[in-house]
Amino acid sequence: ETGVTQTPRHLVMGMTNKKSLKCEQHLGHNAMYWYKQSAKKPLELMFVYNFKEQTENNSVPSRFSPECPNSSHLFLHLHTLQPEDSALYLCASSRKGAGGENIQYFGAGTRLSVL
Amino acid sequence: DQQVKQNSPSLSVQEGRISILNCDYTNSMFDYFLWYKKYPAEGPTFLISISSIKDKNEDGRFTVFLNKSAKHLSLHIVPSQPGDSAVYFCAASESWTSGTYKYIFGTGTRLKVLA
Repeated sequence: ETGVTQTPRHLVMGMTNKKSLKCEQHLGHNAMYWYKQSAKKPLELMFVYNFKEQTENNSVPSRFSPECPNSSHLFLHLHTLQPEDSALYLCASSRKGAGGENIQYFGAGTRLSVL
Repeated sequence: DQQVKQNSPSLSVQEGRISILNCDYTNSMFDYFLWYKKYPAEGPTFLISISSIKDKNEDGRFTVFLNKSAKHLSLHIVPSQPGDSAVYFCAASESWTSGTYKYIFGTGTRLKVLA
């Protein structure tokens, strides 16, 4: 248990649906992240929020829309997705480690299938 | 082009022996390197890290070595235990001016420790 909770764990949606992924952490971390992991590819950073402000958008298509209402919650709103968007979506939050490194804590992910 | 590469997709080791997982990188601006471990149906969990100004960091059975001139790092697990069987991700971080960090992950190495 990392302290980062993602819901739902699995999601199947059609290309015309609208759905949202939710991430929650009560670790007191100020930075939160969305990643995409496709089969046999490395984790791809999608969005970064720091103190509720979006600081980075890694050239993600507009059919993915993040929302961070407070430092503990992060959403990823999905609409008109494509089959190639099927992947594992991971949320993370981070804190500074003893050595100065930034340590990320990941949720278990949402396995998304777009039909 | 992948900035962080894990060229071995899988590795099998006998229980009690040493496991060596390797990672290569291309960007000399990375300031920290981290190893994460992932069990099935769970998110990655932080294992150990090393600053770019160090060449070794040890934590119990886990040691990470960094060779900056070769842009190579390795994770040593001694002795290996069956519970170490998991996918290991190498990650490199680079700080952004926004105060957050960008993480680049490798594709992972699946370690199987045989009893």
